[in-house]
Amino acid sequence: GAVVSQHPSRVICKSGTSVKIECRSLDFQATTMFWYRQFPKQSLMLMATSNEGSKATYEQGVEKDKFLINHASLTLSTLTVTSAHPEDSSFYICSARDANSGEIAGYTFGSGTRLTVV
Amino acid sequence: GQNIDQPTEMTATEGAIVQINCTYQTSGFNGLFWYQQHAGEAPTFLSYNVLDGLEEKGRFSSFLSRSKGYSYLLLKELQMKDSASYLCAALDSNYQLIWGAGTKLIIKP
Repeated sequence: GAVVSQHPSRVICKSGTSVKIECRSLDFQATTMFWYRQFPKQSLMLMATSNEGSKATYEQGVEKDKFLINHASLTLSTLTVTSAHPEDSSFYICSARDANSGEIAGYTFGSGTRLTVV
Repeated sequence: GQNIDQPTEMTATEGAIVQINCTYQTSGFNGLFWYQQHAGEAPTFLSYNVLDGLEEKGRFSSFLSRSKGYSYLLLKELQMKDSASYLCAALDSNYQLIWGAGTKLIIKP
């Protein structure tokens, strides 16, 4: 089945630094990538949606200059948390969809990245 | 607005059956997903329903009633490893997933 590889799985960084999270679709073309954030004991919160080759669409309240999303190819999307602060500590998860597959159920999740900002 | 409701927490006994309900209100509807999420891990796909009725897959079954905006996930022969959060998500007319807050299922011996 479809697999999305997400790295790193865990990262600890100092306040003020930037962190890049990568998601790669291994055996399909990720025409659309969704980036989620999940705080403890809460559900997934959609941050942004990106289509290959175009700018990401951010959800209300998500700062596009702070959470930089790049989806330059059909197999790779990155999320960069710039100038991270402790309140950015969260579980970040990507989800990829192959719109050309014709399969509605083609929402494949990465394994998630636990970000801790100290 | 768009909304998904599911219970916050449920408790069941090992070997028993549990039903987790989900009601949804979305702008258009293109199906409903159930995901399982263990603590600290990403969600894993359990089921997808777009037509009314029951879909059975091993110990797990999922039901959908589009007219009632209602779905449930049925877990049979509960095992300790089934302790997890179960997320209900509806696909709206823009093919965007609208997520419920998740139901934490606690299995007791």
